[in-house]
Amino acid sequence: DVKVTQSSRYLVKRTGEKVFLECVQDMDHENMFWYRQDPGLGLRLIYFSYDVKMKEKGDIPEGYSVSREKKERFSLILESASTNQTSMYLCASGRVYEQYFGPGTRLTVT
Amino acid sequence: RKEVEQDPGPFNVPEGATVAFNCTYSNSASQSFFWYRQDCRKEPKLLMSVYSSGNEDGRFTAQLNRASQYISLLIRDSKLSDSATYLCVVTTSGTYKYIFGTGTRLKVLA
Repeated sequence: DVKVTQSSRYLVKRTGEKVFLECVQDMDHENMFWYRQDPGLGLRLIYFSYDVKMKEKGDIPEGYSVSREKKERFSLILESASTNQTSMYLCASGRVYEQYFGPGTRLTVT
Repeated sequence: RKEVEQDPGPFNVPEGATVAFNCTYSNSASQSFFWYRQDCRKEPKLLMSVYSSGNEDGRFTAQLNRASQYISLLIRDSKLSDSATYLCVVTTSGTYKYIFGTGTRLKVLA
């Protein structure tokens, strides 16, 4: 059974803080993804990685960076959190024909 | 124009009803198509892939119309447990990126 875990379900941070969101998968997938989901906007791709140390920008990378030092772990970093980054963050891993999502982290920036 | 468009609903239907959703996509080079289901406050999960010849899984039938650039999902004999948001997903050849629609919300009423 595929498992994708995220470090926190709920997180509250202050404006300007550096925020780390961690994602771990146990299926040896090459591809991992970070999305944010907002009402009316759906899931939007922030970054994805198709191999260790490889990353590509998605549709909304501004204000975010990522790190993939090990195959099973993909981290999303908010360098200086802002209130417009309050959202649900979903990590996924998978192959071409299916993505498996983690439970999500609801981040509130105050 | 959005790359993937869905009617947000909600579609309110009685138990036992048949309901259908459509999803249109703008990129004629789109290659793979999926329906994901997302329950309230949960992560999206793959419901079914959509093949050119159409496919059926129990009460669920998915169809692809490349000429008109839309996919459809038909649910027969609706159950209360079918209440969820249904996300249309499209990928393009040569990319790992999934493009998600904003989802169609279904409520099955007792």
